[in-house]
Amino acid sequence: GEDVEQSLFLSVREGDSSVINCTYTDSSSTYLYWYKQEPGAGLQLLTYIFSNMDMKQDQRLTVLLNKKDKHLSLRIADTQTGDSAIYFCAETTSGGYNKLIFGAGTRLAVHP
Amino acid sequence: NAGVTQTPKFRVLKTGQSMTLLCAQDMNHEYMYWYRQDPGMGLRLIHYSVGEGTTAKGEVPDGYNVSRLKKQNFLLGLESAAPSQTSVYFCASSPPAGGPHEQYFGPGTRLTVT
Repeated sequence: GEDVEQSLFLSVREGDSSVINCTYTDSSSTYLYWYKQEPGAGLQLLTYIFSNMDMKQDQRLTVLLNKKDKHLSLRIADTQTGDSAIYFCAETTSGGYNKLIFGAGTRLAVHP
Repeated sequence: NAGVTQTPKFRVLKTGQSMTLLCAQDMNHEYMYWYRQDPGMGLRLIHYSVGEGTTAKGEVPDGYNVSRLKKQNFLLGLESAAPSQTSVYFCASSPPAGGPHEQYFGPGTRLTVT
């Protein structure tokens, strides 16, 4: 079945780059997403990538997609304390209706 | 424009009690979703709706019922709460599929069943 896997925790120093990785199983996914959840809040869309793209850059964010290995990554350049949050990878499902399968989330901790 | 709102924000129930969680959106979105979030498990889809008067089961529907009588509202009901339903519940809405449509999330309801 469809599944999305992520490592659960990442700790980085302020100013360094963060790389959060994700693997997915549904090769028919049209879009892959990164959502961010700050403490006590709902999820908010950070960025997405269409499945026929290899890379997408948006200011400090770079998304890399390796379709052969079903691997997605999110790189945050110059990580700041405000980037501390949980980051969820998600893929569209084959069932349609914009339904998503979410990974368990990676908690990013940024320390001075 | 409030986006997606959820009431209540917190609730404590005893086993066997019932309650309804209300989700409202003011973006005229067709699709609405209910998720539960548990530690280490991400978000799992409980039920969803693709339009007024329609509902469908998601990944973990057992123990929950839903209704979408008005386009802007999506209600999640627990008829007989169990401790396994202790979780944070999120509602989301989105426009119909056909592009990279964002799901807009509410702030969540933290439910504890004792």
